[in-house]
Amino acid sequence: EAQVTQNPRYLITVTGKKLTVTCSQNMNHEYMSWYRQDPGLGLRQIYYSMNVEVTDKGDVPEGYKVSRKEKRNFPLILESPSPNQTSLYFCASSSTNRGHEQFFGPGTRLTVL
Amino acid sequence: QKEVEQNSGPLSVPEGAIASLNCTYSDRGSQSFFWYRQYSGKSPELIMSIYSNGDKEDGRFTAQLNKASQYVSLLIRDSQPSDSATYLCAVNKGYSSASKIIFGSGTRLSIRP
Repeated sequence: EAQVTQNPRYLITVTGKKLTVTCSQNMNHEYMSWYRQDPGLGLRQIYYSMNVEVTDKGDVPEGYKVSRKEKRNFPLILESPSPNQTSLYFCASSSTNRGHEQFFGPGTRLTVL
Repeated sequence: QKEVEQNSGPLSVPEGAIASLNCTYSDRGSQSFFWYRQYSGKSPELIMSIYSNGDKEDGRFTAQLNKASQYVSLLIRDSQPSDSATYLCAVNKGYSSASKIIFGSGTRLSIRP
């Protein structure tokens, strides 16, 4: 089954404790992206990757890091989480041959205390 | 001015009627346009993509693009209660296989029986 998976689905942590949210896709997509969704603000792009070892900032990259060492994986790293990073996070992937018709993962709800 | 704007709603439409959702964007260089549907607590799923001016139909859904006026719309014919969701407009700002994707904040649609 074609899918994007994220782990963990729910996470409660404390300020300053480094964490990683994993994202994996099995569709051989070149493009992967991370978004956060907050009430009233919609989906905002954090980082995206056009292919392995190619990443770039979205609209809200501050406080986040990413890496793309393999085509299928695109982890999101919060080195020192803060309460304003409490949000719902989505990973998405798409084939550049089909524009950017993205498939989304199920989401990760992060709470930073 | 937001880069992608949508009326937040809620938009209430009687069952069986046509629901019309609108989206405007600010970047004239935008190339690809998408409509996603998001049920409460779920991840966005792609409904339609449109790349050139005019109409594109898929079942009960029609996407309309007018690049000169910088708007894209989604019509849902014969609205069903299952269409009740938040509809997100997304715009790919880059050319060909590029770059950032900007989402509107979404329009909440409610289909009343």
